[in-house]
Amino acid sequence: QQPVQSPQAVILREGEDAVINCSSSKALYSVHWYRQKHGEAPIFLMILLKGGEQKGHDKISASFNEKKQQSSLYLTASQLSYSGTYFCGTDYGSSNTGKLIFGQGTTLQVKP
Amino acid sequence: DTAVSQTPKYLVTQMGNDKSIKCEQNLGHDTMYWYKQDSKKFLKIMFSYNNKELIINETVPNRFSPKSPDKAHLNLHINSLELGDSAVYFCASSSRWDQPQHFGDGTRLSIL
Repeated sequence: QQPVQSPQAVILREGEDAVINCSSSKALYSVHWYRQKHGEAPIFLMILLKGGEQKGHDKISASFNEKKQQSSLYLTASQLSYSGTYFCGTDYGSSNTGKLIFGQGTTLQVKP
Repeated sequence: DTAVSQTPKYLVTQMGNDKSIKCEQNLGHDTMYWYKQDSKKFLKIMFSYNNKELIINETVPNRFSPKSPDKAHLNLHINSLELGDSAVYFCASSSRWDQPQHFGDGTRLSIL
């Protein structure tokens, strides 16, 4: 039931783009994206709801393909501050409790 | 002004002891959560309360007992600590079950 993220790790130079994918084996109600820097709390980036509604960060975009049960996070013109571990959290919507199942994380390192 | 605050930040104790972690949020949110993040960074939901009512109770040993005295506070008490309890415990809150979750800075629990 845990979503699968890919890639597991990526190294970029400043200004390069990256895509992080989150795939589920079950139909999704929503997908949340968080970034966590080492030793810090996860920080909310984006939420994508079933039906196409999108909320979140103005410098990072994301898509939600309900049919494919997949979400992708797009990081364009990456900055050093983008480094960290990115987690998707999936809500299957069956209980209306906000229960998120998180993926294993994707570690992103942006180099100068 | 810290939105979600946890105390203590670090907790080092011996096997068999009982300990508590406190969490407070000043965001006016109705829902609060406890997560456990292990050494592989896997983030797993443990409990959730909505307006002091328990709504998520994952498969967690009954040595773990959450308590919510009011909707701004959610504490976690752990009895008879075991080596496997070593992890970072995060408290989070959200205004509604389908809204972004705001995480505290975490409590790093180390069992000797």
